[in-house]
Amino acid sequence: NAGVMQNPRHLVRRRGQEARLRCSPMKGHSHVYWYRQLPEEGLKFMVYLQKENIIDESGMPKERFSAEFPKEGPSILRIQQVVRGDSAAYFCASCRRVGNQPQHFGDGTRLSIL
Amino acid sequence: GESVGLHLPTLSVQEGDNSIINCAYSNSASDYFIWYKQESGKGPQFIIDIRSNMDKRQGQRVTVLLNKTVKHLSLQIAATQPGDSAVYFCAENINNAGNMLTFGGGTRLMVKP
Repeated sequence: NAGVMQNPRHLVRRRGQEARLRCSPMKGHSHVYWYRQLPEEGLKFMVYLQKENIIDESGMPKERFSAEFPKEGPSILRIQQVVRGDSAAYFCASCRRVGNQPQHFGDGTRLSIL
Repeated sequence: GESVGLHLPTLSVQEGDNSIINCAYSNSASDYFIWYKQESGKGPQFIIDIRSNMDKRQGQRVTVLLNKTVKHLSLQIAATQPGDSAVYFCAENINNAGNMLTFGGGTRLMVKP
């Protein structure tokens, strides 16, 4: 039973380029969450999606960042016109349903901006 | 404001000793708590959870204690092993708020052989 799969594991972009991060949740999980982690810090919530819907994007910057979770295929976190400050580890988590359920995390995408 | 670049607090224990990692949570409305273990280069790994209607829960070699009065959570690891070396995070959740987790700052556990 595969866990949460994220790719790529490492992504290098130059300033101004676009970054696309993918997340396939665990089988049977329809709730996906994206978090961002800076070195030596805890994870910070960005966005919560359910199939085809954004439920809560309160932690995601209004500019340049977007997320989707289409009916078919992985969830995508997209960062346009990347800047140095976007360098971080981005983690995806999924769960089967909401309400006192642990989220299961992928191993993240480490984004480096040159 | 948010502090950036601070080193994580570190707990150093001898192999075989018990470890206690503490966490102060922020929101009195939180009703579900999780401890995660994060190894270098990996994502957080679920260890144990506890609901707010409990004050103690035990797993295999781990125990979580919840004190709602002072908003404090602790993780006890019995007979700590080198494989327990990692960063440990507590996370809190408000049930009617979509299950988003708010993470604490983390504690690095180093186990000396």
